[in-house]
Amino acid sequence: DTGVSQDPRHKITKRGQNVTFRCDPISEHNRLYWYRQTLGQGPEFLTYFQNEAQLEKSRLLSNRFSAERPKGSFSTLEIQRTEQGDSAMYLCASSRTVGGADEQFFGPGTRLTVL
Amino acid sequence: AQSVTQPDIHITVSEGASLELRCNYSYGATPYLFWYVQSPGQGLQLLLKYFSGDTLVQGIKGFEAEFKRSQSSFNLRKPSVHWSDAAEYFCAVGEAGGSYIPTFGRGTSLIVHP
Repeated sequence: DTGVSQDPRHKITKRGQNVTFRCDPISEHNRLYWYRQTLGQGPEFLTYFQNEAQLEKSRLLSNRFSAERPKGSFSTLEIQRTEQGDSAMYLCASSRTVGGADEQFFGPGTRLTVL
Repeated sequence: AQSVTQPDIHITVSEGASLELRCNYSYGATPYLFWYVQSPGQGLQLLLKYFSGDTLVQGIKGFEAEFKRSQSSFNLRKPSVHWSDAAEYFCAVGEAGGSYIPTFGRGTSLIVHP
């Protein structure tokens, strides 16, 4: 068990560019979550997958954001036409459903800076 | 909709002193409650959680929290703080059953003086 990993850890991009982040969950975890965290705030839920199915998306997730989890393993989060307001830490978490609320294990995050 | 309030943005304590971080939640039914810690450059780590049963919950690193339904609170405590406890602490509330998506508070930054 190597924990949840995210790549890259930091990304600097120019406004209007597309960016893609990757998350590798703990193996055999069937749920995977994406959050966004801005300075001085707690994580805000973006979307989550159970296996390969995307089951819920937040209203925060504009149509410029898309997430995938092919084959129910790693996940990618893509932001198209980035805006300065997209600058934030993007956190990924995974969990294994055991009934009731799961314990989520978080990755270190990808810090995005949009210039 | 569920919500979480952490009324203290910053808390400063001396090493060895006791600590209490406040958390109030708003949720119609019985909530699932969590405390997470985030050190600089790190992801969130779960300290403890409350689902049901005993309202005093023990966690890792010597932390505990008490669920008080009448006060809608889930305060985090530690009897003696260590310098390594300096970090950001987040309280979160989840929905019993269903998809379970936790709502996080804005966090409390703990500063520990030597």
